[in-house]
Amino acid sequence: DSGVTQTPKHLITATGQRVTLRCSPRSGDLSVYWYQQSLDQGLQFLIQYYNGEERAKGNILERFSAQQFPDLHSELNLSSLELGDSALYFCASSVVPPDWTDELSGNTIYFGEGSWLTVV
Amino acid sequence: EDQVTQSPEALRLQEGESSSLNCSYTVSGLRGLFWYRQDPGKGPEFLFTLYSAGEEKEKERLKATLTKKESFLHITAPKPEDSATYLCAVQGSRNSGYALNFGKGTSLLVTP
Repeated sequence: DSGVTQTPKHLITATGQRVTLRCSPRSGDLSVYWYQQSLDQGLQFLIQYYNGEERAKGNILERFSAQQFPDLHSELNLSSLELGDSALYFCASSVVPPDWTDELSGNTIYFGEGSWLTVV
Repeated sequence: EDQVTQSPEALRLQEGESSSLNCSYTVSGLRGLFWYRQDPGKGPEFLFTLYSAGEEKEKERLKATLTKKESFLHITAPKPEDSATYLCAVQGSRNSGYALNFGKGTSLLVTP
């Protein structure tokens, strides 16, 4: 158990709908990352936050958005869903900010178990 | 653009048959190279972070090494429970948002 909690574990929804995926980072971790994993694309970085502030964006579609709340949990909102959005969505967390390499404490990024989204 | 290429895509070993997985990378300003293990339908499980060429880290039957262009994950005397997909990722510089850029992984099957 990595300590990163994601809900829901599985979700089936129809095209055009909107869903929200939730992530609670490990206790004490201020950085949150969202990744998408599909069979053909592998793990793709979507977006990252540090202490409530957006720090970087990857290949995140305009239909997708995220935020990190004061209690440090994060939500990924996916709207106008398409069949191609079906994938595993992972949240990851780390104690250090994304621009800080700490060889002493170890720049360890822990992943949750993922939310499996199926769009039908 | 950061690139990570893992080889082979799939590897089948007999129990006890040692081997190595390769991760070749290009990145502008390496801040760390990560190895993860992923079981089907599960989240990636952290194994190692390497920071500079020449660095080595070990955990049970696994040993990770790093050069300026590639990293190797050596598996010594593997057991069936080592079967999983092994993912390599590089943490790039500010230009790439410091995000982890993953390879597509090596799927390892260890048979009794």
